[in-house]
Amino acid sequence: NAGVTQTPKFRILKIGQSMTLQCAQDMNHNYMYWYRQDPGMGLKLIYYSVGAGITDKGEVPNGYNVSRSTTEYFPLRLELAAPSQTSVYFCASSYSSGGGEKLFFGSGTQLSVL
Amino acid sequence: QKEVEQDPGPLSVPEGAIVSLNCTYSNSAFQYFMWYRQYSRKGPELLMYTYSSGNKEDGRFTAQVDKSSKYISLFIRDSQPSDSATYLCAMRATGGADGLTFGKGTHLIIQP
Repeated sequence: NAGVTQTPKFRILKIGQSMTLQCAQDMNHNYMYWYRQDPGMGLKLIYYSVGAGITDKGEVPNGYNVSRSTTEYFPLRLELAAPSQTSVYFCASSYSSGGGEKLFFGSGTQLSVL
Repeated sequence: QKEVEQDPGPLSVPEGAIVSLNCTYSNSAFQYFMWYRQYSRKGPELLMYTYSSGNKEDGRFTAQVDKSSKYISLFIRDSQPSDSATYLCAMRATGGADGLTFGKGTHLIIQP
């Protein structure tokens, strides 16, 4: 059981470049999330999805876009990379959002924008 | 206002010691309280979950919630070097996919 799979694990971008961070889950979870984790700053929610075709902004959505065409995949798009987007990005999924639901996280993508 | 305070550490203790990790919060609407453990270069994984006030025990781990003081704790007994990790508290009010608020995490080091 793979759980949540993120690719790539590491990436260096130049300012202004674009890229897509891939996320896939094989647990048939409806809810999926993208977080970024900056040193000493905890996890901040970028975007989330409650099911295929439905997405919504989190706390820090500026500079990012998402899509959710299927239950399994939830890619995160950076259109014009900026140094402020240097961070570790985590994708997560959960079966529900009723309260204390367990979030399953991927191993993260470490992104540097230079 | 979503705000959770957590001492980032590092907290270094000898093997076998009892470890106490804590978070304070300001939003009285928080009802669900969780502790996630994150090893270096890995994603967080759920360690403990508590609803409302009270204690919950799971092996060497005990989670406590004091809603009157807006204070939650995680205790680790007989700490092991394998417990060395970053521990993040997380909490939410009610259902809603965007409602999970994380602390900044405490970096714990267990010295052999």
